[in-house]
Amino acid sequence: KAGVTQTPRYLIKTRGQQVTLSCSPISGHRSVSWYQQTPGQGLQFLFEYFSETQRNKGNFPGRFSGRQFSNSRSEMNVSTLELGDSALYLCASSSEQGGGETQYFGPGTRLLVL
Amino acid sequence: AQSVTQLDSQVPVFEEAPVELRCNYSSSVSVYLFWYVQYPNQGLQLLLKYLSGSTLVKGINGFEAEFNKSQTSFHLRKPSVHISDTAEYFCAVRAQGGSEKLVFGKGTKLTVNP
Repeated sequence: KAGVTQTPRYLIKTRGQQVTLSCSPISGHRSVSWYQQTPGQGLQFLFEYFSETQRNKGNFPGRFSGRQFSNSRSEMNVSTLELGDSALYLCASSSEQGGGETQYFGPGTRLLVL
Repeated sequence: AQSVTQLDSQVPVFEEAPVELRCNYSSSVSVYLFWYVQYPNQGLQLLLKYLSGSTLVKGINGFEAEFNKSQTSFHLRKPSVHISDTAEYFCAVRAQGGSEKLVFGKGTKLTVNP
């Protein structure tokens, strides 16, 4: 099976702009989670989607949002970008069947905000 | 809520030496435990996981970890490391049941020197 894919891999934006990142989960996986990785804060949970519904949300401002489509693909959006939003954004998928406890990660999208 | 402490931020070792990366966790509920590895400019790759059963779990690339419930620890070990094991290693926990997020430690940078 193909792994989790994320596009784009690299992105440069300026402050105040908005950005949309995309994630395609492993085939058959219906849960998609997003994480932000920075040198200072480490890996932090953003949100999780299952069957097009947000099931869980981390402590991030409302500028961070996401959605999931009927084919389980997910997007996250960050509006009004700030310098501190520069990070590696990782998407992970998991199955609701046996082994659903395990999240499998994509390669990430590296966002640089200037 | 859960928390994870990785006791060493950096671990330098020589090639073919044994290594142990330490991880302690805190949780008021039962958890699943994971170790992930991150190579430069890549996402997270699952090394191994403890879901239930035998407390000694074996993973990929010759790594193993032992779950110790009384000490709330899940230390990662490898009897003989290679240069290619140089990477950052993350310990993570996830509360059992439902759509629970992964909580990560700050990571341990393993550097294997020739």
